[in-house]
Amino acid sequence: AQKITQTQPGMFVQEKEAVTLDCTYDTSDPSYGLFWYKQPSSGEMIFLIYQGSYDQQNATEGRYSLNFQKARKSANLVISASQLGDSAMYFCAMREGDNYGQNFVFGPGTRLSVLP
Amino acid sequence: DVKVTQSSRYLVKRTGEKVFLECVQDMDHENMFWYRQDPGLGLRLIYFSYDVKMKEKGDIPEGYSVSREKKERFSLILESASTNQTSMYLCASSFPQREDQETQYFGPGTRLLVL
Repeated sequence: AQKITQTQPGMFVQEKEAVTLDCTYDTSDPSYGLFWYKQPSSGEMIFLIYQGSYDQQNATEGRYSLNFQKARKSANLVISASQLGDSAMYFCAMREGDNYGQNFVFGPGTRLSVLP
Repeated sequence: DVKVTQSSRYLVKRTGEKVFLECVQDMDHENMFWYRQDPGLGLRLIYFSYDVKMKEKGDIPEGYSVSREKKERFSLILESASTNQTSMYLCASSFPQREDQETQYFGPGTRLLVL
């Protein structure tokens, strides 16, 4: 079963507007971390933001914020004031707390295109 | 800033060749990882290492081996390259902490083409 689901294969947004990229996850572990990465066409995976399952507040990093809805098991990434340089693939990932020695689980990704 | 570097951005090899992909990190991270990324399949873990000379198989270790002789360097070896190993290879490193908090930092990737 898919542990990370990203239902939007592609998204378009106008420059300077906000955009939300969806991510839902599946785990029975009470302790887990959720991560978002950006992958531009150059290929490098760039870490954007982290949310812990016990964190009471939504994580924010500059123009990035994570809309964490624990009961719904969703961790959507919100990018405010989109810039042309935001055009990239975006991956949601999860690491479970009792999963020592195992890897991140990545979602299939969403391709974001920012239009001028 | 965390810096993870990979020896090549692009590599073209022939079937049967032995291929070395090198990864170096400069943040004194204990943990290092090798992934391959393929369209439609996402990122899949090949091998990881939690310490020098230690290695663990990931999800798809067949056809690969690894070497970690120094803390900062983690090498992926394709003993006899095959066309189905044409892929994007990504190296990552992390500092060990509670598993659910451990952020992985990635290198720029190596695009390998096996002819």
